[in-house]
Amino acid sequence: DGGITQSPKYLFRKEGQNVTLSCEQNLNHDAMYWYRQDPGQGLRLIYYSQIVNDFQKGDIAEGYSVSREKKESFPLTVTSAQKNPTAFYLCASSIVRGLVRNEQFFGPGTRLTVL
Amino acid sequence: QKEVEQNSGPLSVPEGAIASLNCTYSDRGSQSFFWYRQYSGKSPELIMSIYSNGDKEDGRFTAQLNKASQYVSLLIRDSQPSDSATYLCAVNSYNQGGKLIFGQGTELSVKP
Repeated sequence: DGGITQSPKYLFRKEGQNVTLSCEQNLNHDAMYWYRQDPGQGLRLIYYSQIVNDFQKGDIAEGYSVSREKKESFPLTVTSAQKNPTAFYLCASSIVRGLVRNEQFFGPGTRLTVL
Repeated sequence: QKEVEQNSGPLSVPEGAIASLNCTYSDRGSQSFFWYRQYSGKSPELIMSIYSNGDKEDGRFTAQLNKASQYVSLLIRDSQPSDSATYLCAVNSYNQGGKLIFGQGTELSVKP
């Protein structure tokens, strides 16, 4: 079964805690992405990676960190520096064919709530 | 001006009608265009992609692209209640390093 998995489905964080969201894919995709979605809004890019051991900041990277040690895995850490982390977090992946035509496919998402 | 704009809706159509969803974009360097469907509480699902001017049909869905007018649309024929969802337009621009830029989404409601 090929696809993208994210865990956990729901996550609760206390003030001042760091939490890590997992994203794994077995599609053999080169590129992986993290987005944040707030109610009634579109998706905003946090970080992306087109190759192992390399990643770039997206539009809202402050307060987040990532790693890409394996092609299949792209975990996202939400640090205590992120002041408003309550949101729906989506991981996506795509084949890299130059810079164009990269259909992105999404995992099921993690809903993070700050208590 | 937002990079990708959609009417937020909600757009309400009766069952069996044609639903028309519209999207405009600002970057003339945009090369690839995608429509995603997102059910409430779920993640987006890719339903259509289009790369050249004109129409592309897939079942009940037709994507239309007009690069001169910087306009892309999605038509859903014979709309069903199961089509009720938020539809996200996404644009991939070479000038933005291949990133996808998403619109805010249009909420579609199909009434039985």
